[in-house]
Amino acid sequence: AQTVTQSQPEMSVQEAETVTLSCTYDTSESDYYLFWYKQPPSRQMILVIRQEAYKQQNATENRFSVNFQKAAKSFSLKISDSQLGDAAMYFCASLSGGSNYKLTFGKGTLLTVNP
Amino acid sequence: DVKVTQSSRYLVKRTGEKVFLECVQDMDHENMFWYRQDPGLGLRLIYFSYDVKMKEKGDIPEGYSVSREKKERFSLILESASTNQTSMYLCASSLGHSNSPLHFGNGTRLTVT
Repeated sequence: AQTVTQSQPEMSVQEAETVTLSCTYDTSESDYYLFWYKQPPSRQMILVIRQEAYKQQNATENRFSVNFQKAAKSFSLKISDSQLGDAAMYFCASLSGGSNYKLTFGKGTLLTVNP
Repeated sequence: DVKVTQSSRYLVKRTGEKVFLECVQDMDHENMFWYRQDPGLGLRLIYFSYDVKMKEKGDIPEGYSVSREKKERFSLILESASTNQTSMYLCASSLGHSNSPLHFGNGTRLTVT
């Protein structure tokens, strides 16, 4: 069974600063994928970034990047130049290749961006 | 762009009622999912379907059933609603390969009184 742990229920950051959200996971699979989703107050879950476990290079999407530490089973999200629109609940999720495509989610981190 | 549409944004039902939550996706996705979201618990999988008429239980299927008669539509059914089923329900869909991300609907906030 997979587990995903987000140890920070809430985080805050000043506008234009950088913030890192933590995530650790546990899986016995060798083939798996990791995701960060964002849920703003509108409730629409939006994919922020994804990482294939077999890739050593950390994924990057504009101001969002990950620090994927496979041996430590860590998958943190870094948001650079934070904007007010980044305020949301962020969920880390894992998916194993043999899981019939089921994602396992962490409990979420609520990010506040202060002007 | 993929669109996943949930029929109701807010729903209020009484204890014991039979409740249907409907979800439709427009991108011919093989997989469809129903999650429940509660504060402090994150998202928990109720049921999912990887093909028409196929379904599998997720982590918390008790008290729920599902129906997938057509590829684009996945319904969640509460046979006899109870107050502990008051929650946010999220539908999602994805393509049928393992690294395909989920696309979510806007959620249905169900209150059972």
